[in-house]
Amino acid sequence: KAGVTQTPRYLIKTRGQQVTLSCSPISGHRSVSWYQQTPGQGLQFLFEYFSETQRNKGNFPGRFSGRQFSNSRSEMNVSTLELGDSALYLCASSLSGVQTDTQYFGPGTRLTVL
Amino acid sequence: GQNIDQPTEMTATEGAIVQINCTYQTSGFNGLFWYQQHAGEAPTFLSYNVLDGLEEKGRFSSFLSRSKGYSYLLLKELQMKDSASYLCAAPVSGGYNKLIFGAGTRLAVHP
Repeated sequence: KAGVTQTPRYLIKTRGQQVTLSCSPISGHRSVSWYQQTPGQGLQFLFEYFSETQRNKGNFPGRFSGRQFSNSRSEMNVSTLELGDSALYLCASSLSGVQTDTQYFGPGTRLTVL
Repeated sequence: GQNIDQPTEMTATEGAIVQINCTYQTSGFNGLFWYQQHAGEAPTFLSYNVLDGLEEKGRFSSFLSRSKGYSYLLLKELQMKDSASYLCAAPVSGGYNKLIFGAGTRLAVHP
């Protein structure tokens, strides 16, 4: 079974621009979560989608948004980029999205904001 | 609130045994996950404990004590490829699939 895939793997943007990241979950998985990883803050939860509905949101500004499509693929968007948004953005999928489900991570998108 | 603490760094010798500790405070408890993350790569799932005791999986074992809010990951017969960060994570109570992570323990294995 193919794992979680994320595109693009690397992105360089400038302040003020916007960016869209894509995540394809493991086949059959319906829950997709997004995390931001930085050296200073570690892994922090952004949001989680299940059946096209956002069920959970972390403590991030409204510039961070996402959506999920009917095939469970998900995108996240960051508008008006700031230098502090430079990070590794990871998505993870799980089968049914219950708390005891194991989440499987994709390779991440490394975003650099100049 | 919820909080997870782990040591920042550890070093060990190839062939030895190392124990990575994790203490947690959660408002509800739905188990504890351990992930391994090599530099520049995605976290990969190692183990999940929801009941007290030790669970063994080959060279890796994970222990949980719910009454003490404590877990550890035990790595035996260390290999150079075990050099990585080890992340302890807990589901947020009522948070569906939301995980809170510790800062991670960076393990360096030396020959």
